[in-house]
Amino acid sequence: RKEVEQDPGPFNVPEGATVAFNCTYSNSASQSFFWYRQDCRKEPKLLMSVYSSGNEDGRFTAQLNRASQYISLLIRDSKLSDSATYLCVVKGTGGGNKLTFGTGTQLKVEL
Amino acid sequence: NAGVTQTPKFRILKIGQSMTLQCTQDMNHNYMYWYRQDPGMGLKLIYYSVGAGITDKGEVPNGYNVSRSTTEDFPLRLELAAPSQTSVYFCASSSRLADRTYEQYFGPGTRLTVT
Repeated sequence: RKEVEQDPGPFNVPEGATVAFNCTYSNSASQSFFWYRQDCRKEPKLLMSVYSSGNEDGRFTAQLNRASQYISLLIRDSKLSDSATYLCVVKGTGGGNKLTFGTGTQLKVEL
Repeated sequence: NAGVTQTPKFRILKIGQSMTLQCTQDMNHNYMYWYRQDPGMGLKLIYYSVGAGITDKGEVPNGYNVSRSTTEDFPLRLELAAPSQTSVYFCASSSRLADRTYEQYFGPGTRLTVT
């Protein structure tokens, strides 16, 4: 089983739609969780951290379910500029702040 | 503030050649990382460093070497390049400060082709 699993997509949605991405992780001792965004042929950048209580940043909402080892990202009112690959990222228990990246879910927002 | 810079941006190597990918960060970060990203795959950690003089293997270290003589620089060396090393290589760094410990800042990447 992969450490971090995501549906690769692509998700093709119209502008203004709400879209949700899911991610599961295998290591129950994982400490911290994140969503990174990667534009085509660019480097990944942190989108938001994910907290057990759920957190929101504008149109983006992230949720964590530790019992099910499940992370989600909800994007409301999708914009063309949201088109990118969204990487689910987990920090494990080892030192060095090492992160494990999922393969990413591709989102295409269309007119 | 340049952040994380990588050189070169692109490179084509012949099988058996060697090269060094350069990575520099100007954020005074303790931690630095090298990843490779193959098409349709997640980023795989090659090597990482928690400070000058300290390096450790990641998930896929075979065929690579690193050194960390300064806080700023973390070069990645490929010896005897093989087609399997064709990939996009990203360098990243992160701080040890409590409030933003886990965010990793990435360089723009080096696209390497081995033929």
